[in-house]
Amino acid sequence: QVQLQQWGAGLLKPSETLSLTCAVYGGSFTNYYWSWLRQPPGKGLEWIGEINHSGSTNYNPSLKSRVTISLDTSKNQFSLKLSSVTAADTAVYYCARGFSHWGQGTLVTVSS
Amino acid sequence: DIVMTQTPLSSPVTLGQPASISCRSSESLVHSDGNTYLSWLQQRPGQPPRLLIYKISTRFSGVPDRFSGSGAGTDFTLKISRVEAEDVGVYYCMQATQFPRTFGQGTKVEIK
Repeated sequence: QVQLQQWGAGLLKPSETLSLTCAVYGGSFTNYYWSWLRQPPGKGLEWIGEINHSGSTNYNPSLKSRVTISLDTSKNQFSLKLSSVTAADTAVYYCARGFSHWGQGTLVTVSS
Repeated sequence: DIVMTQTPLSSPVTLGQPASISCRSSESLVHSDGNTYLSWLQQRPGQPPRLLIYKISTRFSGVPDRFSGSGAGTDFTLKISRVEAEDVGVYYCMQATQFPRTFGQGTKVEIK
């Protein structure tokens, strides 16, 4: 049974870089896209981007200039970096395998 | 970006009665490979989203058969045949035909 466990800093100051990592347990890394999404408090879902097992990425154009998604197949982990954060980036961030298996979510708050 | 519009945004339902949510996309969701990548997700309070249905009408593993999806092109529907207490939450439609992946605003299902 596939499980995703994510972690990272929950409180950032404006202009800092958000960094989150997601570990995949119980499943293969190949043949899937590994996604990051976010949900501002009380609001809907936003797709940030995805990466496949060979490292090919797709990003949301609204965030593309600030986003990097990478993977470490030796550790079955993939990561999200979002640079130059502002208060508008405050959200619960989720990692997911496609859209079928999700991490527990990490609340990231950006505040001075 | 493809805009996904859900109606209604709130649906008070009596236990045991049916519920229906509509989702309309701003463009056809038929992919060049012939598939239509329209999914429905459920988000219970305080939890990550859960995939219910993908490719319009295919129930994901473990999803009760009281959930069904239908539609084509730009118009889609999620139906719950008999609402149970555990169905309370927000339901999202989502398209994965084009980048960026986009979601509807969400429909809140609550018990009357």
